[in-house]
Amino acid sequence: DAGVIQSPRHEVTEMGQEVTLRCKPISGHDYLFWYRQTMMRGLELLIYFNNNVPIDDSGMPEDRFSAKMPNASFSTLKIQPSEPRDSAVYFCASSPGDRYEQYFGPGTRLTVT
Amino acid sequence: GQNIDQPTEMTATEGAIVQINCTYQTSGFNGLFWYQQHAGEAPTFLSYNVLDGLEEKGRFSSFLSRSKGYSYLLLKELQMKDSASYLCAVAPNTAAGTALIFGKGTTLSVSS
Repeated sequence: DAGVIQSPRHEVTEMGQEVTLRCKPISGHDYLFWYRQTMMRGLELLIYFNNNVPIDDSGMPEDRFSAKMPNASFSTLKIQPSEPRDSAVYFCASSPGDRYEQYFGPGTRLTVT
Repeated sequence: GQNIDQPTEMTATEGAIVQINCTYQTSGFNGLFWYQQHAGEAPTFLSYNVLDGLEEKGRFSSFLSRSKGYSYLLLKELQMKDSASYLCAVAPNTAAGTALIFGKGTTLSVSS
């Protein structure tokens, strides 16, 4: 299995631009999670899906952030408009079910200038 | 509120034993996870505890006391490659869904 796939691996953009991060979970995993990691705040859960349905988006910082999961093999996290404080590493993770370990993708390092 | 505490940094020497502590306060408890994260890489799963006691897996062991809201990760026979950040994470919800809350991690530096 290829594991969780994320793209792009690095993204540098200017403030105000739209950013779209992509994730392909491990086949057969019912749960998909989006996290953000910074030195100051550590690893924070943004949103997670179960069977393509958003379950908890309370971690999404504000309306500039949105996430979709149109099918079991693809999810996107969009930031519009982006701001310098959004600079972080964004991880996608998937899990085969409740109370199972999560498998993380390699992350997308986002820099907003 | 939800809170997970672990030391920020620890240092140790090759061949030694190190214990990384984690205390938590969460609404509900559905298990505690330990992850390892090397610099610039993704977190990888190390262990899972849901019942009190010690779980051993090779050089790594994890302990849980639910009544005390306390866990530790024990690393034996330390190697240089064990230099990494170790993240404690708790699944607080008792309902379906595993929304983990992560501590900020303990950066372990192993020297020769």
